[in-house]
Amino acid sequence: AQKVTQAQTEISVVEKEDVTLDCVYETRDTTYYLFWYKQPPSGELVFLIRRNSFDEQNEISGRYSWNFQKSTSSFNFTITASQVVDSAVYFCALSEPENRDDKIIFGKGTRLHILP
Amino acid sequence: KAGVTQTPRYLIKTRGQQVTLSCSPISGHRSVSWYQQTPGQGLQFLFEYFSETQRNKGNFPGRFSGRQFSNSRSEMNVSTLELGDSALYLCASSLAGTGLYEQYFGPGTRLTVT
Repeated sequence: AQKVTQAQTEISVVEKEDVTLDCVYETRDTTYYLFWYKQPPSGELVFLIRRNSFDEQNEISGRYSWNFQKSTSSFNFTITASQVVDSAVYFCALSEPENRDDKIIFGKGTRLHILP
Repeated sequence: KAGVTQTPRYLIKTRGQQVTLSCSPISGHRSVSWYQQTPGQGLQFLFEYFSETQRNKGNFPGRFSGRQFSNSRSEMNVSTLELGDSALYLCASSLAGTGLYEQYFGPGTRLTVT
């Protein structure tokens, strides 16, 4: 069965510090997709990244970077030089498109506080 | 491009009533998914509609239903409301499929059941 675990419920860091949000997933499929979404206080989830299971290259987008490691079933997200605007709840998600029951499963989320 | 819109944004209902929530996806998106978000259970998948057909369904009772119209707009209905149905209901649209494509979320409808 699909499962996404975000063990960190809440994290607080001081502005300009780097912070890593952990995501561990479980799946039996060889083809799957991983996602990260951001939910700011306004409530609207914002798509950040999608990664398929065959692409293990790390990705960097500005201050954001993602580390995908199939060996440890992890898809961690790092924010470098954090800013107050990064304060939000971050969700990791998994989908198995070839699964007859294809749907996306979200982790419980990590609430990130960036302190000024 | 206009984003996903949801109406109403806030609702207060009493137990036993029913409610209908509406979602208009991004133009050109054919897939609409609904989620329930609560502090305790997090984000839970309700169902997905694609080209007016329900393609996937989460583990929710039959009181939760939905439909999609030919213009891809979707409605979600909850009958015989219970206190536990109080939640933020989020709608998301994507090009063709929940699992394959990124989803774009609306601002949500916050439902309070008293």
